[in-house]
Amino acid sequence: GAGVSQSPSNKVTEKGKDVELRCDPISGHTALYWYRQSLGQGLEFLIYFQGNSAPDKSGLPSDRFSAERTGGSVSTLTIQRTQQEDSAVYLCASSRISRSTGGNTDTQYFGPGTRLTVL
Amino acid sequence: AQSVSQHNHHVILSEAASLELGCNYSYGGTVNLFWYVQYPGQHLQLLLKYFSGDPLVKGIKGFEAEFIKSKFSFNLRKPSVQWSDTAEYFCAAYNQGGKLIFGQGTELSVKP
Repeated sequence: GAGVSQSPSNKVTEKGKDVELRCDPISGHTALYWYRQSLGQGLEFLIYFQGNSAPDKSGLPSDRFSAERTGGSVSTLTIQRTQQEDSAVYLCASSRISRSTGGNTDTQYFGPGTRLTVL
Repeated sequence: AQSVSQHNHHVILSEAASLELGCNYSYGGTVNLFWYVQYPGQHLQLLLKYFSGDPLVKGIKGFEAEFIKSKFSFNLRKPSVQWSDTAEYFCAAYNQGGKLIFGQGTELSVKP
């Protein structure tokens, strides 16, 4: 597609429920990232996928958060047993390449985000 | 820890005023630097980026930024802002581990 797409655009859920957020990266982009944007917190890195390599999960805030990327394209971020503090906008981004030893990494293009509200 | 700092949290300007938003990063070595903008109700868009070469980079909509290695800075500038520039601006840099680190963001309000 022309850009990164995410669904749903808005999700309201009750505390304790599980949610799944979807990201469709730009076609041909091998790197995919998830971020969380909370009021007053800026953008917080969650996880990234690069090709067939093991994902970097170092930003996931707890074991209730997980993500997978199927077929090197679409990614799903799952939050289990949601808590009110999980309320935020979840952003997905993709790029052609990720890190290299020279530190020269490519531009990330962002999707519109999913606004998650946990009641 | 490697970090990106934006010192201005909220800037209010009148139309035609000049703009400079500060951005500092905390580490040396090779850096890839970005400014992103988020207009109200829209998603993050790339304004400009610096990877190497000329330290003065020009982006969309008349924005530019200057990479000053000795000051670890990458300040964003625009000579004359418009009401349509009202948005939140984020500075970002790849750290040595390959993660894109964002500043806290600067909210710019331009009064017509």
